[in-house]
Amino acid sequence: QKEVEQNSGPLSVPEGAIASLNCTYSDRGSQSFFWYRQYSGKSPELIMFIYSNGDKEDGRFTAQLNKASQYVSLLIRDSQPSDSATYLCAVKDSGYALNFGKGTSLLVTP
Amino acid sequence: GAVVSQHPSWVICKSGTSVKIECRSLDFQATTMFWYRQFPKQSLMLMATSNEGSKATYEQGVEKDKFLINHASLTLSTLTVTSAHPEDSSFYICSGGGGVGDTQYFGPGTRLTVL
Repeated sequence: QKEVEQNSGPLSVPEGAIASLNCTYSDRGSQSFFWYRQYSGKSPELIMFIYSNGDKEDGRFTAQLNKASQYVSLLIRDSQPSDSATYLCAVKDSGYALNFGKGTSLLVTP
Repeated sequence: GAVVSQHPSWVICKSGTSVKIECRSLDFQATTMFWYRQFPKQSLMLMATSNEGSKATYEQGVEKDKFLINHASLTLSTLTVTSAHPEDSSFYICSGGGGVGDTQYFGPGTRLTVL
């Protein structure tokens, strides 16, 4: 069974702070890693993906991957109330399908 | 990013009727399309994976005779919920693969309510 684990939250951070979202996965054969954001009642939208160990930055978002520890994280700098949503971690092996975690609910308070 | 559309965005139907949901990749060719279902406050559940021109692969526990998937072209996949019942009421979301880095891009979803 390929597991993707996320803390369900809610994670509450004040506006302007850094939000740190974490995800662990069980399949060592996993090759690509994705973060999606899902607002209530909406479908997921891709934030970013990462394939290699280390950090990948895109605007206020930084994805971090550590394959040895089977750990991927998403940092959101200068958090805004509009960032309040559920963040889904997804992992893919060499196949087609994504394996999703249950998501972490983030609340950014003004 | 790549754009995936879904139609209709919401549908209400009577129990026993069939409902067809269309999923289109608008600016890329989706070699693989995925269908998910999401119940309130729950995570996405993959229902099936389809490749253009071949039969869909269904996840365990998903009735292939109830959820008919057709992937007729590289830009269109359809999901037909046959003889829908109230327990089929859910948020159905498709996604297309084959984009940059094999990323999946999601459609906006279809909310199905079966009375």
